[in-house]
Amino acid sequence: QSTLTQPPSASGTPGQRVTISCSGSSSNIANNTVNWYQQLPGTAPKLLIFRNNQRPSGVPDRFSASKSGTSASLAISGLQSEDEADYYCAAWDDSLNGRVFGTGTQVTVL
Amino acid sequence: QVQLQESGPGLVKPSQTLSLTCTVSGASSSSGNFYWSWIRQPAGKGLEWMGHIYISGSTNYNPSLKSRVTISGDTSMNQFSLMLRSVTAADTAVYYCARVREDWDYDDNHFYYMDVWGKGTMVTVSS
Repeated sequence: QSTLTQPPSASGTPGQRVTISCSGSSSNIANNTVNWYQQLPGTAPKLLIFRNNQRPSGVPDRFSASKSGTSASLAISGLQSEDEADYYCAAWDDSLNGRVFGTGTQVTVL
Repeated sequence: QVQLQESGPGLVKPSQTLSLTCTVSGASSSSGNFYWSWIRQPAGKGLEWMGHIYISGSTNYNPSLKSRVTISGDTSMNQFSLMLRSVTAADTAVYYCARVREDWDYDDNHFYYMDVWGKGTMVTVSS
C-alpha cells in the first residue's frame, strides 16, 4: 500500500538531465528524511541518496536530490547508459508507523 | 565489508508458512544503531517493506502484513529470520533482507536508510 507517488517512467538522451518526482504527505516526506534507491535490471536495490540529499561514497555527483514540503525529487545530470534502472524513493510514515516506498520510476536512456 | 545473504525454500504451498533467513557476514548484527529489515518485490512490481527488528528484539511490521508476519533475530549467530503465515499466490516475490543504518546530526535529528542489501531470493507460492 505505497503512499509515495512517482511517475512510472522517465527518459532522456545521453548527456541530458532527467528529474524524477516523489509525492508524499505530511505523515511521511514532510516529517522524515527521504532516501532514494537505484535498482539495475535483475539486481537488488542499491542506496543512491540518503537523508534527502546525501550521496554515499562511490555514488557519482551526477546524482542529486532535494526535498521540499511533501515532495522530493531526484535529478540525474549527464545521463549515461548505465543509469538505465528503476528508481525508488522511500521514507518513514508516522501514520502507518512503517517505511513506505515510492511506486518506482523506470529510467530509459534513448 | 558487510554482506547479507537470504536463504530458504524457493517453493511454498498455499496456506503454509514461508520461512527465510538472512545471514550477516563481515560484521556483527548485534552492533548498535542498526535495524534489520525484510522487503519484497513481486515480479514486475515495486518494493514493499515488510518489517524490521532492532537488536533489542523490538519489531515494526507493515500494517497490511502484521497479522501474518514475524521477524526474529538470532544475534549470536548473526542471523535474522522472516516468517509469513498463510501464504497465497500473492506472496510470490523476490524477498530481500537489508540493513537499516541509524545516524544522527549535530542537532540530534535521527535518520535511517537501508545501506546494505542482500541479493534477494525468489519464493514462489504454488501447489
